Amino acid sequence: AQSVTQLGSHVSVSEGALVLLRCNYSSSVPPYLFWYVQYPNQGLQLLLKYTSAATLVKGINGFEAEFKKSETSFHLTKPSAHMSDAAEYFCAVIEGNTDKLIFGTGTRLQVFP
Amino acid sequence: DTGVSQDPRHKITKRGQNVTFRCDPISEHNRLYWYRQTLGQGPEFLTYFQNEAQLEKSRLLSDRFSAERPKGSFSTLEIQRTEQGDSAMYLCASSPGRLNYGYTFGSGTRLTVV
Repeated sequence: AQSVTQLGSHVSVSEGALVLLRCNYSSSVPPYLFWYVQYPNQGLQLLLKYTSAATLVKGINGFEAEFKKSETSFHLTKPSAHMSDAAEYFCAVIEGNTDKLIFGTGTRLQVFP
Repeated sequence: DTGVSQDPRHKITKRGQNVTFRCDPISEHNRLYWYRQTLGQGPEFLTYFQNEAQLEKSRLLSDRFSAERPKGSFSTLEIQRTEQGDSAMYLCASSPGRLNYGYTFGSGTRLTVV
């Protein structure tokens, strides 16, 4: 079964610094991978998705992620953090042919001024 | 496209009471999903529908939980005889059923059982 592992439950960066949130997947077939963001007491908003086209995926709010098959990774990056980026970020993978999204445990991003 | 709507946003109930949540998906989406999220955790799959058919239920969904989607449009999730462990955010999502699409989530219903 497919799964994702998010390394680091908390990440803190200064405003303007690089953001790097890590996600590794486990899948025997090319996966569909997603990053979602969740603000306090809100639902999840899709940031970006990998669907076996380009390996570098650009999303909303200046985020991007690179699919690396050799490393089974799909890390999320943003060159310059903004205070409004503070939120919980979830990596997710589609499970097989069920169309069921399986989420990681999340990474809370804090941005300091 | 008004997005996915969930009602209520918050619900406080006494242990042992029954509660029902409603989800209105995006109208052209034939798949509807329910997830549960506890504090500090990622969402956990509960069940999903394709049109009115309930195709899968998680083992997390005890006999006290039931979900319906009677006409393939809105869905309800009922919890009978609530327990404190049921306190969580209940998230609904919909999708057009294409694997590469991803889901659109509602804002969730936060349940507190006291």
